[in-house]
Amino acid sequence: DAMVIQNPRYQVTQFGKPVTLSCSQTLNHNVMYWYQQKSSQAPKLLFHYYDKDFNNEADTPDNFQSRRPNTSFCFLDIRSPGLGDAAMYLCATSRDLSSGDKNIQYFGAGTRLSVL
Amino acid sequence: AQSVTQLDSQVPVFEEAPVELRCNYSSSVSVYLFWYVQYPNQGLQLLLKYLSGSTLVESINGFEAEFNKSQTSFHLRKPSVHISDTAEYFCAVMKGGSEKLVFGKGTKLTVNP
Repeated sequence: DAMVIQNPRYQVTQFGKPVTLSCSQTLNHNVMYWYQQKSSQAPKLLFHYYDKDFNNEADTPDNFQSRRPNTSFCFLDIRSPGLGDAAMYLCATSRDLSSGDKNIQYFGAGTRLSVL
Repeated sequence: AQSVTQLDSQVPVFEEAPVELRCNYSSSVSVYLFWYVQYPNQGLQLLLKYLSGSTLVESINGFEAEFNKSQTSFHLRKPSVHISDTAEYFCAVMKGGSEKLVFGKGTKLTVNP
């Protein structure tokens, strides 16, 4: 059974049209992450939530925002998608650092975003 | 800042041949090391991890990796690959006390019949 679920799997949007990607988890993990992965590149961390605390990476563009209304759900909002934002977006979760499994991250299947 | 180097971007091998995918990381006082596998159009799946203890770690599908502190390496090996092992493999490091993973650029393993 999927434990980190991303919807939709494929998303097509128009240049400049806001888009929201969603992630839900059944693991009750404290930490949720959003990564961007462009073709043939490593996943790049955009930001993460430690419970309700939002942690933005220094080089994440302002165009990318996130919301975490509760433990189970986290959203990635792209306010004005550009052609360069076409990528796979991966959501991941982990327990906090005090847990025995040392913060292993569990990934969803990803959402592939196309920008026309 | 932590960095991870995967020197081989692509590794083609024949079925049943051995394979080694190389991974080196920048030195830190304490690190946790991971290998993730990504099949086409899928997310990342944890293959194996080194947190502490034995430096040789194994996965359920025959892969193994050895943590070598002096060489700052965590190479992934399998003595005999299957066509189903065709995927992209990412090495990742987490600095002790951090919740962030730093990934290498990945190695595409292609197993040919």
